[in-house]
Amino acid sequence: QKEVEQDPGPLSVPEGAIVSLNCTYSNSAFQYFMWYRQYSRKGPELLMYTYSSGNKEDGRFTAQVDKSSKYISLFIRDSQPSDSATYLCAMSGRAQKLVFGQGTRLTINP
Amino acid sequence: SAVISQKPSRDICQRGTSLTIQCQVDSQVTMMFWYRQQPGQSLTLIATANQGSEATYESGFVIDKFPISRPNLTFSTLTVSNMSPEDSSIYLCSVKRDRGPYEQYFGPGTRLTVT
Repeated sequence: QKEVEQDPGPLSVPEGAIVSLNCTYSNSAFQYFMWYRQYSRKGPELLMYTYSSGNKEDGRFTAQVDKSSKYISLFIRDSQPSDSATYLCAMSGRAQKLVFGQGTRLTINP
Repeated sequence: SAVISQKPSRDICQRGTSLTIQCQVDSQVTMMFWYRQQPGQSLTLIATANQGSEATYESGFVIDKFPISRPNLTFSTLTVSNMSPEDSSIYLCSVKRDRGPYEQYFGPGTRLTVT
């Protein structure tokens, strides 16, 4: 079993839809949670960072962490074609080494 | 955030040769990391390169194959030695700022093809 599980998709939704991306993990020591967006042939871009449990909102993006269920989510509201990319969840414990999910390929259709 | 550049952006190399990838950061950071992203896959940590100490390698990665240098707080190199087609990947460096929230920022990557 992988430490971090993420549905690779692909996920295709119409423009304006709410997108929900999720990851589950098994290591209870994880306390730092991140979401990265990666466009084709580019490096990962940090979207959201959350420490421990709770919600964090930044514009159209909301990150949720539920440590009791070992489950994290990223919501994208009013999705745009420019949001089409691969989204990677990543997490770390005190060792500060990131463990990544497989990435979800998202396409927003105009 | 941090501005990170990598050189080269891409290269095509022959089997048995070596390639050194450079990573430059716009500010001083203690912790730098090197990752590999194989085609269609997620990122896997190769090693952690802290200035002033030897690089720490993850399971499955060895110094003879991936020697790393960290001469100062803004620069690091990763060498891929004695390359084979299985080394064809994107190699990325990342940094964590010394202070503030725990966040890692990535460079644009080096796309390596070994023939």
